[in-house]
Amino acid sequence: DTGVSQDPRHKITKRGQNVTFRCDPISEHNRLYWYRQTLGQGPEFLTYFQNEAQLEKSRLLSDRFSAERPKGSFSTLEIQRTEQGDSAMYLCASSGQITGEGNTIYFGEGSWLTVV
Amino acid sequence: AQKVTQAQTEISVVEKEDVTLDCVYETRDTTYYLFWYKQPPSGELVFLIRRNSFDEQNEISGRYSWNFQKSTSSFNFTITASQVVDSAVYFCALRIGGTSYGKLTFGQGTILTVHP
Repeated sequence: DTGVSQDPRHKITKRGQNVTFRCDPISEHNRLYWYRQTLGQGPEFLTYFQNEAQLEKSRLLSDRFSAERPKGSFSTLEIQRTEQGDSAMYLCASSGQITGEGNTIYFGEGSWLTVV
Repeated sequence: AQKVTQAQTEISVVEKEDVTLDCVYETRDTTYYLFWYKQPPSGELVFLIRRNSFDEQNEISGRYSWNFQKSTSSFNFTITASQVVDSAVYFCALRIGGTSYGKLTFGQGTILTVHP
């Protein structure tokens, strides 16, 4: 399977604990995105990487959230001191160059987070 | 700012009926891209179609067809002869050109249930 892969698919954690999600984009894609989706809502943009550079962050991304893409390949999204409001599905997506087919953004299956 | 409105929260049809999902968008940019994604219960957002703002030609792909009308800022999606496997949440999304870095703005989604 050469699509976007995310790990873990599901995570249940206690409030206050830290969690980390990993995303492996489609191999030739240099652009990587994180989105968050809560029940009954469409996905909301969190952050964007072009290669290893984090070029944009949403105001939704509080100080407890940090994303990295150290070698321009896989990415991690860490949430520190989780709160119940962090419960959501975290979606990773990737795309190629901005022109032509690169305009299409492909999503992974998401990582469900439940904070209890 | 960009906005996407999917006025239909839920649609229920019987198999073999035709169904149209509405999407209205708002943007001041002249270059933009419109998308439809399908989200089955597994959670993955499955790409269906991308349309450029300068290409109003409608498209048909099997039982799926899309009607893009810039005059009404609409990008509607029709499923002909619906099947149970079409049951999912469908999202319309907008991305502007230029330095948007590929950030997508999603609608709230339409839950489609096709009954046998």
